[in-house]
Amino acid sequence: EPEVTQTPSHQVTQMGQEVILRCVPISNHLYFYWYRQILGQKVEFLVSFYNNEISEKSEIFDDQFSVERPDGSNFTLKIRSTKLEDSAMYFCASSRREAMDTEAFFGQGTRLTVV
Amino acid sequence: RKEVEQDPGPFNVPEGATVAFNCTYSNSASQSFFWYRQDCRKEPKLLMSVYSSGNEDGRFTAQLNRASQYISLLIRDSKLSDSATYLCVVNRVGNAGNMLTFGGGTRLMVKP
Repeated sequence: EPEVTQTPSHQVTQMGQEVILRCVPISNHLYFYWYRQILGQKVEFLVSFYNNEISEKSEIFDDQFSVERPDGSNFTLKIRSTKLEDSAMYFCASSRREAMDTEAFFGQGTRLTVV
Repeated sequence: RKEVEQDPGPFNVPEGATVAFNCTYSNSASQSFFWYRQDCRKEPKLLMSVYSSGNEDGRFTAQLNRASQYISLLIRDSKLSDSATYLCVVNRVGNAGNMLTFGGGTRLMVKP
């Protein structure tokens, strides 16, 4: 069964450092997303991406965050200068089409720890 | 008011029990509704979509009441493997693509 894959599974970084979280969405999917979940809290939307541009972003997704689809398979989330409060599980997701009842498939997540 | 509100639980039930979870949402323009399941430190996985007419998938029944902005999930004949956190999820009108809004989840623990 096709799945969304994320690397690394766990990343530890020092405050102020840049991190890049990587995702390979399901191959025939066109819409890509990043969500995050701080430990013990709810899953929160960060950004959606379609046709090589951001289609929507939340207030969490400030200038420290950026997304990119550098090639035909990868989808990345970059945090330029990490803060302690960026520590969370980051989930990538993809869906086949834009229709609101379309299932979004989530990757297994990258646990980011900022020290 | 939270956009999607759930009782965090935990609900501790014996195997074979029937358990019901409720969820309320604040945006009356919301159009799509889902229940996701999340195991500890794992990714959310779609359990079922929720339709206005109500829908059933095996032991799971979901109901939507648009007038009350209320969603429910009923699990019959609980299994040990049903132990997880159940996430009520709403997709708001006007969003480009699936901008899902998650509730905080309701934790279910099924005991032997």
